Formats: sequence, structure tokens, C-alpha cells
Amino acid sequence: EVQLVESGGGLVQPGGSLRLSCAASGFSITNYWMVWVRQTPAKGLEWVSRINRDGSSTKYADSVQGRFTISRDNAKNTLYLQMNSLRAEDTALYYCVRDYPLGTWFYMDVWGKGTTVTVSS
Amino acid sequence: QSALTQPASVSGSPGQSITISCTGTSSDIGSYNFVSWYRQRPGKAPELLIYDVSDRPSGNSNRFSGSKSGNTASLTISGLQAEDEADYYCNSYRGGSTYVFGTGTKVTVL
Repeated sequence: EVQLVESGGGLVQPGGSLRLSCAASGFSITNYWMVWVRQTPAKGLEWVSRINRDGSSTKYADSVQGRFTISRDNAKNTLYLQMNSLRAEDTALYYCVRDYPLGTWFYMDVWGKGTTVTVSS
Repeated sequence: QSALTQPASVSGSPGQSITISCTGTSSDIGSYNFVSWYRQRPGKAPELLIYDVSDRPSGNSNRFSGSKSGNTASLTISGLQAEDEADYYCNSYRGGSTYVFGTGTKVTVL
């Protein structure tokens, strides 16, 4: 079964750091671009970051640029999100997502269940 | 990076058709046909419903259809069923390998 399982969420103080992990099973992430998406009740879904197959190209939403770093370890079949200088507005459920080539482009076809990050003093 | 604009809620009776709009700009929906739609049931992760504006992943119901005109994309649900109650989100490529989601629409079956 194709599956993504996130971990590493928790409660952290403003200004703190956290590293999220996403373990893939049932497929090799080597063959796919991967994405992080977050969700809050107030703002809904927000695209956060994307990384290409070998990790040489990364992109970020303006809201996290310079604070978050996406990376991957293809040998461990694992995706990461290093989050620094955390703010209250980063509080969200963070999803790990596979970016699948479909039709003429790439689309988010497999989602994990998410891991919750709470930034509060 | 402003979100795409969707109506907060749309409702319909069983068997009816409803349409959810998703309005962007000439920098996203207006420039690319890389528009997708996701359904999110309560407590669950989103699921891909539509890709490339109007295509459906294999196995998905043909009651869901997508279209685009200018800077606005639309999702139509035909033959509305109780199981269609969920939140629906659009998504568009925005260039430079970045993406943007819509604000989300809650669909209620009356």
C-alpha cells in the first residue's frame, strides 16, 4: 500500500525550531517530486514547499521563505521539513504529499494524515 | 501570495447540480491549465478529484467535472448525493515551481 506517514510535530515556543519527517512506504520517493502542504481552520490549505527528485531544486511559499528548509533522503525514503524562527501563524496541520506526473503536469495524488505543529508560549 | 477565491459555502438538494467557482489572476489560473480540485471529508486528508482543469483520475466519479474561463476555474458536481458533503479546494500552478490553493468551499446537501 502506498503510504506517507508524518512525524515530528508538537508544541514549540515562538522563535523555536522543529523538524518534520515523512516516511514513505509502498513506493520509492526517488522517482517523485515531493511537497509539504499545511492547513489551518482559518485559512484552509496552504502550499508550503516543493523539492525535486534529487533535492537540487527547492521552492517555498513567501510566508516561509528563509525560515523553512525542505530536504530529502532518498536512501531512507524520507522527506523532511526543517522549520526555524517559528511564529504563531505557523501553527497548522502539516501534510506530506507526493507530486505525481499526471496528464500534462504534476499533481498531489498521495497525502499523509498530517502532523500537528503548535507554536505558542 | 494571495489565495485563489472560492465561495465559502454552496448548497443543493439531492440530485441537483452545483458549481463552485475559483477565481485567480493572470499569473496563475489565467496563465496555466495546471488547475486541480481536491475534496476533503471531515477529519481526512484531501483527495485529488480533477487535474489539468477538466480531467479525472481513473476510477473517479464522472459526476465531477471541471472547466476554466479566463482567470476563473469551476467545479461542477452533478446528481448531488449526501456523500458529496465535504470541503472542496482548487489549486493552480503559479509559475516558478510554486502553487496556490483556493480558500475552500463547504458543500452542504440539503
